[in-house]
Amino acid sequence: GAGVSQTPSNKVTEKGKYVELRCDPISGHTALYWYRQSLGQGPEFLIYFQGTGAADDSGLPNDRFFAVRPEGSVSTLKIQRTERGDSAVYLCASSQGRGAVETQYFGPGTRLLVL
Amino acid sequence: AQTVTQSQPEMSVQEAETVTLSCTYDTSESNYYLFWYKQPPSRQMILVIRQEAYKQQNATENRFSVNFQKAAKSFSLKISDSQLGDTAMYFCALAAGNKLTFGGGTRVLVKP
Repeated sequence: GAGVSQTPSNKVTEKGKYVELRCDPISGHTALYWYRQSLGQGPEFLIYFQGTGAADDSGLPNDRFFAVRPEGSVSTLKIQRTERGDSAVYLCASSQGRGAVETQYFGPGTRLLVL
Repeated sequence: AQTVTQSQPEMSVQEAETVTLSCTYDTSESNYYLFWYKQPPSRQMILVIRQEAYKQQNATENRFSVNFQKAAKSFSLKISDSQLGDTAMYFCALAAGNKLTFGGGTRVLVKP
């Protein structure tokens, strides 16, 4: 079946602008995760959804970052007033069941560049 | 808090030979899982192997095997009969509760 998809693949924006990144999880996966991967580093946890609700948003760096998953499937990560330090690859993953102990399946990521 | 440390930034290996990647971790959780993921230049994270902490037997997946030393909090990955397609970044990751925590990665280069 289809894997996790993310759009756009690449996004270039200017400092101060608003961006939205989309994630389509594997059909039937109730858990969805967002990660941020800076150049040369491992991914860092941002937020975890179980169904429609954010079960853990402790990784969001500040209130400029927000994510939604209104129907328990597609999720959107929203970044307001972008800063150059937000430049990174944003990865989405989904899994069955609950919690991070379930194997997560990753999308190809969105590379965000803030000029 | 959970931490994962990969002390080898880069490893190179000749095709058909064996390479071992190191990973150490720390967690206060009693129920956790460990993973190795591969990330080729395409950026897609691909699961290589998974180990449940409560299982003493080391996981194997074809040419990939782990050496899980729970008391030492060590989880190394051995790649046998290395192939050119194994060239990628490899990340060790610890799952406990809601979070998957990654190490900094080891770049593996397989030379022909």
